[in-house]
Amino acid sequence: KQEVTQIPAALSVPEGENLVLNCSFTDSAIYNLQWFRQDPGKGLTSLLLIQSSQREQTSGRLNASLDKSSGRSTLYIAASQPGDSATYLCASPNVGSGGGADGLTFGKGTHLIIQP
Amino acid sequence: GAGVSQSPRYKVAKRGQDVALRCDPISGHVSLFWYQQALGQGPEFLTYFQNEAQLDKSGLPSDRFFAERPEGSVSTLKIQRTQQEDSAVYLCASSLGVAAFFGQGTRLTVV
Repeated sequence: KQEVTQIPAALSVPEGENLVLNCSFTDSAIYNLQWFRQDPGKGLTSLLLIQSSQREQTSGRLNASLDKSSGRSTLYIAASQPGDSATYLCASPNVGSGGGADGLTFGKGTHLIIQP
Repeated sequence: GAGVSQSPRYKVAKRGQDVALRCDPISGHVSLFWYQQALGQGPEFLTYFQNEAQLDKSGLPSDRFFAERPEGSVSTLKIQRTQQEDSAVYLCASSLGVAAFFGQGTRLTVV
């Protein structure tokens, strides 16, 4: 069964810094790796999805990388802003009994605070 | 609306009470997922539907949990005889392909 781990559990940095959030997974036979953002009391917003054949995806100030061989993904946030404060979760699809993906296995998240 | 809608947003139940949580997926989305998120944890998979068929219910924690999607659209997660450990946020997501779109969740507090 896939296990997903995120470090650090919490991170507080001054505004403007570049930062890296880490995600590791145990089963390298993944379909994709997805990064989400969760604001307090809210649902999850998908940020980036990296297919298994890809090495990275970029969206604005966010860049996510995927290294299947080492079982790692990173989310890089450039020029952080107070509005980036949230919990960031990574997730990998479960493989269903029929061989297709069903559901996601999530890490516990990194709680990020950007200090103004 | 265009997104996944869940109701109620908040539910307080007395221990032993039955509750029903509703999810309205994005129109046309074939796949629907339920997750349970305890405080400070990531979401945990509960169950998965493809249209009206429940293809995976391996994550349901006990037989007190039951989910249905009778017409392949709206889904209901029912918890019977609620217990304090059922207190969590219950998230619903729907998908047409790879990416899943999440609702805001229902926060259940069992007292």
